[in-house]
Amino acid sequence: AQTVTQSQPEMSVQEAETVTLSCTYDTSESDYYLFWYKQPPSRQMILVIRQEAYKQQNATENRFSVNFQKAAKSFSLKISDSQLGDAAMYFCAYRSEWGGNRDDKIIFGKGTRLHILP
Amino acid sequence: DGGITQSPKYLFRKEGQNVTLSCEQNLNHDAMYWYRQDPGQGLRLIYYSQIVNDFQKGDIAEGYSVSREKKESFPLTVTSAQKNPTAFYLCASSLPGAHGELFFGEGSRLTVL
Repeated sequence: AQTVTQSQPEMSVQEAETVTLSCTYDTSESDYYLFWYKQPPSRQMILVIRQEAYKQQNATENRFSVNFQKAAKSFSLKISDSQLGDAAMYFCAYRSEWGGNRDDKIIFGKGTRLHILP
Repeated sequence: DGGITQSPKYLFRKEGQNVTLSCEQNLNHDAMYWYRQDPGQGLRLIYYSQIVNDFQKGDIAEGYSVSREKKESFPLTVTSAQKNPTAFYLCASSLPGAHGELFFGEGSRLTVL
C-alpha cells in the first residue's frame, strides 16, 4: 500500500524568506500524481501544485516549486518570498494513475503547519 | 458557479444518534470521496465512489455508511457505532485520471455531546 510521510509537523519562516517542506512517499507503481494542498485557517483545501511522475521537469507555480526526486521517492515544496498569506497547513498527497482501477485512493500525509514570521 | 457543497457546516449530536452529512457537486465529476480530519492525523479516507451505485471502503470505514444513488450526491452517515465521531469531515470530487486533482467542499464540523 502507498504511504505518504511529512516529517515536519511545524515550520516557521521569516517573511520574504524561502522555506522548503519535505514529503516522502512509498509506492511500487511507476505512474502516479503528486500534489501539495494548502489549508488556511478557513479550512478550505486549495491545490498549490501538482506533479506527474512521468515528467522529469519539476513543476512551478509562481512562488511555489517542487523538487521531485522519483528514485528517492521525495517530493518537497519550496515557497519563495514567503508572504503572511502563506501561513497554513500544507498537505502532500499521492494518487495512482487512473487505469480503470477501482482502488483509486488518494493518500495524504499528516501535514506541516507553516508559520510566517513578520 | 461549479463546486462542492457540504452541509451542515456545524452539527451537534448526542451520543447514540446517527447523523447524515450532505455532499453535493455540480462539477459532473464521477469520483467522490469522504475524508476525516483530526489534529495531527492529516486526512484519512473513509469511503470513496468512482461511479453511481458503487463505492469502496477507505482506511477508516468502520462506523460510517454512504450511498451513491446520483452522480451529484454522496451523503455520509455517521452511525452510533462510530466510537469517536467528533471531527472535521471533508468531501471531495474529481475526474478519474485527468491530472487527478481533488476539489474539496468547505467541510462539516461534527461534535458529539
